[in-house]
Amino acid sequence: EVQLVESGGGLVQPGGSLRLSCAASGFTFSNYEMNWVRQTPEKGLEWVSYISDSFSTIYYADSVKGRFTISRDNAKNLLYLQMNSLRAEDTAVYYCVRHSRSYPFYFEYWGQGTLVTVSP
Amino acid sequence: EVVMTQSPATLSVSPGERVTLSCRASQSISNYLAWFQQKPGRAPRLLIYGTSTRATGIPARFSGSGSGTEFTLTISSLQSEDFAVYYCQQYNNWPPWTFGQGTKVEVK
Repeated sequence: EVQLVESGGGLVQPGGSLRLSCAASGFTFSNYEMNWVRQTPEKGLEWVSYISDSFSTIYYADSVKGRFTISRDNAKNLLYLQMNSLRAEDTAVYYCVRHSRSYPFYFEYWGQGTLVTVSP
Repeated sequence: EVVMTQSPATLSVSPGERVTLSCRASQSISNYLAWFQQKPGRAPRLLIYGTSTRATGIPARFSGSGSGTEFTLTISSLQSEDFAVYYCQQYNNWPPWTFGQGTKVEVK
């Protein structure tokens, strides 16, 4: 059974930093592309960042470019999102999302999410 | 960026009714469209990909159709467990991958 378990969310002040983790199990993590997607009541679902299986390709949403860094540890089956210079508008539930195995790649499995709150 | 627009925002229906949800893309996305269901406090769950292919374990009462810029999710006979928010998402032109704003299916 595919499982994605996020952790690391919490309350942080504006300008602060937080690192989210996503522990993957039930599949060969190193074979799959991964994403972070966030959700707010105001903006709905927003894709945040993507990383290829081999680390060779990384993308960011314009809203987080230069502040967030995605990475992965294929030996430990872990996905990360380092979030710096956090703003109030980064407050959201953050989901770890796995792509499908074959092209075209759709968002197949989602973790349960972790809440990030940016507030003084 | 491809903008996805869903309609209506809210749909009030009774169990057993047939439900049709719409999703429009701001430019052609071929058939690279997915639908997700989300219940309160839960993560989105993949229902359909490739416009019309049901994901593993999804009941046959869910069906998708369309191509290009106009897409539809149909629930043939709404069950109590189907009351939820439904999102469409395009994966033809990326990054970014983009979502519609959602349609809430509520009890009439």
